Amino acid sequence: KQEVTQIPAALSVPEGENLVLNCSFTDSAIYNLQWFRQDPGKGLTSLLLIQSSQREQTSGRLNASLDKSSGRSTLYIAASQPGDSATYLCAVSSSGGSNYKLTFGKGTLLTVNP
Amino acid sequence: NAGVTQTPKFRVLKTGQSMTLLCAQDMNHEYMYWYRQDPGMGLRLIHYSVGEGTTAKGEVPDGYNVSRLKKQNFLLGLESAAPSQTSVYFCASSYSMPAKGSQHFGDGTRLSIL
Repeated sequence: KQEVTQIPAALSVPEGENLVLNCSFTDSAIYNLQWFRQDPGKGLTSLLLIQSSQREQTSGRLNASLDKSSGRSTLYIAASQPGDSATYLCAVSSSGGSNYKLTFGKGTLLTVNP
Repeated sequence: NAGVTQTPKFRVLKTGQSMTLLCAQDMNHEYMYWYRQDPGMGLRLIHYSVGEGTTAKGEVPDGYNVSRLKKQNFLLGLESAAPSQTSVYFCASSYSMPAKGSQHFGDGTRLSIL
């Protein structure tokens, strides 16, 4: 059974700092890994999707990496801003199970202080 | 550009009552999903649909029923609500299966069962 763990559960940083969020998964047989952002009282917004054949994806100040063999992904946020404050979730689509199932981590609550 | 719209946004029910949550998407997506999000549990898939007229069970289907009579709508029903079904419910849709593409989420329905 695929399990996804996100560390840390919460992170507080001053504005302008670069930071890394971590995601690990137990079964390396994945199709892809996605990073989502969730604002309080809102749904999830997809930030980056990395296919299993890719090593990283970039969008603006965000860079996500994937090391499938070790079961790890990181989300790097450069020059953090207060508007980046949210919960960040990673999710994997596993080739060993249902093609329609995403397994989510419990998220990292990020607070960027002005 | 509405995307995925969930109705209602909030609801309080008494144990044993029934209700239907409505999800509508305007992106002509084939795939639709219902998740529940609980503290400390992450998001879990309840039911999903791979096209109009189809439904399938996800990870936690017990106590719920679904219907997809029209491509743009996916309904989640609770026949006899129980306190354990108190949760935040999210609907999502996607153009392709999770193995290939990202999902788009609604803002959620906050449901309390007393």
